[in-house]
Amino acid sequence: AQSVTQLGSHVSVSEGALVLLRCNYSSSVPPYLFWYVQYPNQGLQLLLKYTSAATLVKGINGFEAEFKKSETSFHLTKPSAHMSDAAEYFCAVRGRIGNQFYFGTGTSLTVIP
Amino acid sequence: SQTIHQWPATLVQPVGSPLSLECTVEGTSNPNLYWYRQAAGRGLQLLFYSVGIGQISSEVPQNLSASRPQDRQFILSSKKLLLSDSGFYLCAWIPLGLDAQFFGPGTRLTVL
Repeated sequence: AQSVTQLGSHVSVSEGALVLLRCNYSSSVPPYLFWYVQYPNQGLQLLLKYTSAATLVKGINGFEAEFKKSETSFHLTKPSAHMSDAAEYFCAVRGRIGNQFYFGTGTSLTVIP
Repeated sequence: SQTIHQWPATLVQPVGSPLSLECTVEGTSNPNLYWYRQAAGRGLQLLFYSVGIGQISSEVPQNLSASRPQDRQFILSSKKLLLSDSGFYLCAWIPLGLDAQFFGPGTRLTVL
């Protein structure tokens, strides 16, 4: 069975500081991994995905994530936080077989001016 | 182009009233469709998913049901709403040729 764990339900960073949102996955085979962002009262928007190509994945809005099999991690980073990055972020995993997605509980990012 | 629609955007209903939320997709055929619920300040809970017309899988027992009367239409229903049914309901799908889920704009349901 697949699952993801997001460490830290709330993260606060100063504007211009590094953003690091943590996600660890559990899967018996290398999974597909995703990061989504959700702004208030909106649906989830895909930030980036890992599907077994390059382990460092670049997404929209300057975000990137690195797949580390040895650590079963897929942490999301951005070198310099912007006020507009304040939102809820979800990590998700999809098995190689089947079409079910499993979401983490989310991390709320606050950017302090 | 492939797009997903949800309506209504917001809904306020009294306890015990029926519910019908609709999700439709365009630009594809035979998509996998999903209904999720977000309670206030909480993560996503998968309610139902469908791989084809009339094929519905339920993830959790609840007061809700789902139907897929047409290939690109997915409906979430209830005969009698409970206070605990309040939340943000999201429809999602996997567009043809892609491997990620994409989400509709959501419906904010408040049960009073």
